[in-house]
Amino acid sequence: DAGVIQSPRHEVTEMGQEVTLRCKPISGHDYLFWYRQTMMRGLELLIYFNNNVPIDDSGMPEDRFSAKMPNASFSTLKIQPSEPRDSAVYFCASSTLTDNEQFFGPGTRLTVL
Amino acid sequence: GQNIDQPTEMTATEGAIVQINCTYQTSGFNGLFWYQQHAGEAPTFLSYNVLDGLEEKGRFSSFLSRSKGYSYLLLKELQMKDSASYLCAVRGDLRDNAGNMLTFGGGTRLMVKP
Repeated sequence: DAGVIQSPRHEVTEMGQEVTLRCKPISGHDYLFWYRQTMMRGLELLIYFNNNVPIDDSGMPEDRFSAKMPNASFSTLKIQPSEPRDSAVYFCASSTLTDNEQFFGPGTRLTVL
Repeated sequence: GQNIDQPTEMTATEGAIVQINCTYQTSGFNGLFWYQQHAGEAPTFLSYNVLDGLEEKGRFSSFLSRSKGYSYLLLKELQMKDSASYLCAVRGDLRDNAGNMLTFGGGTRLMVKP
């Protein structure tokens, strides 16, 4: 398996633009997680899905952020409109319920100018 | 909620032993995890404890005391490649719909010097 796949790896955009981050979890994993990592706040859980259903989105910072999982092999995290404070590395991870390990993708480094 | 504390930075010498501590206060508990993260890379799983005691895996060991809300990661025979951040994370209680949800501490940046 190729592991968790994220795209793009790097994104530079201007304030006010829409940003869409993509994730393909490991096949057979029924949990998918979106995290954000910054120097100031560390690694924060934004939202997670179980069997494509959002379970907890309490970490989503505000209405500008939205996430979808239309099927078991694809998820998106969208920021509209983007702001400079959204600059961070966004990680997607997947796991099974019985697995004791979350497998992280390589991350998307987002810079909002 | 979850509150997880670990030191921000540590320095150790190649070949030595280092212990990274983690304390937690959580509303539910179903396991404590340690992840390693090299600069510019994704976190990777190191260890998992759900029962009290020591789990050993090669040069790395992890200890848990649930009554004290305390864990440590022990790294032996340090190598330069061990320079990385080490993240402590707690998994929530499966019964309150937090199954598989991890809350991470701020991470401990370990620098190994020759």
